[in-house]
Amino acid sequence: AQTVTQSQPEMSVQEAETVTLSCTYDTSESDYYLFWYKQPPSRQMILVIRQEAYKQQNATENRFSVNFQKAAKSFSLKISDSQLGDAAMYFCAYRSAGSTGNQFYFGTGTSLTVIP
Amino acid sequence: DTGVSQNPRHKITKRGQNVTFRCDPISEHNRLYWYRQTLGQGPEFLTYFQNEAQLEKSRLLSDRFSAERPKGSFSTLEIQRTEQGDSAMYLCASRSTGYNEQFFGPGTRLTVL
Repeated sequence: AQTVTQSQPEMSVQEAETVTLSCTYDTSESDYYLFWYKQPPSRQMILVIRQEAYKQQNATENRFSVNFQKAAKSFSLKISDSQLGDAAMYFCAYRSAGSTGNQFYFGTGTSLTVIP
Repeated sequence: DTGVSQNPRHKITKRGQNVTFRCDPISEHNRLYWYRQTLGQGPEFLTYFQNEAQLEKSRLLSDRFSAERPKGSFSTLEIQRTEQGDSAMYLCASRSTGYNEQFFGPGTRLTVL
């Protein structure tokens, strides 16, 4: 089974600053999808950004961008101009693009604190 | 479209009792997932439906757990003879074929005393 590793259990950032959350994954597949999900306290999980492995260009969604390094199996999330509302648990996830790619594999999460 | 809903939001039960949770996916979504999330961990895959067919089950899923999705609409997850180790947040998510994004419900928090 694929594994997703988030080595930073907790991170903090000053409001308006930039923070990068790390994620590495282990797979023997060449085609897959990667995701960052956000889970605010006591609220449901929402998708922040996704990346298709076949795309070389890094995905960007407003203040959120990724650094996808396929050879290194690394998928980090950069949050620019951090806001108080960004405080949450962030989960990195993987899904195979193959016909059997139904399962999503999640990391253990990084708790992000935004300091006013 | 009100998103994925789950009921109940909280459930407290005594060890040995049976519990059932319900998930209502987004109406046009044919794929439905159940996850378990314990404190400090990411969601752990339990089972997956495509329409009414249960296509995948985690090897970690004990035979005390059963899930159904009659008519390919809502789904139920039943835990029989609950144990304290079953205490967790149970999440449901749904998505459409051809779309990568899955949408999560708010979860059902189970506490087994």
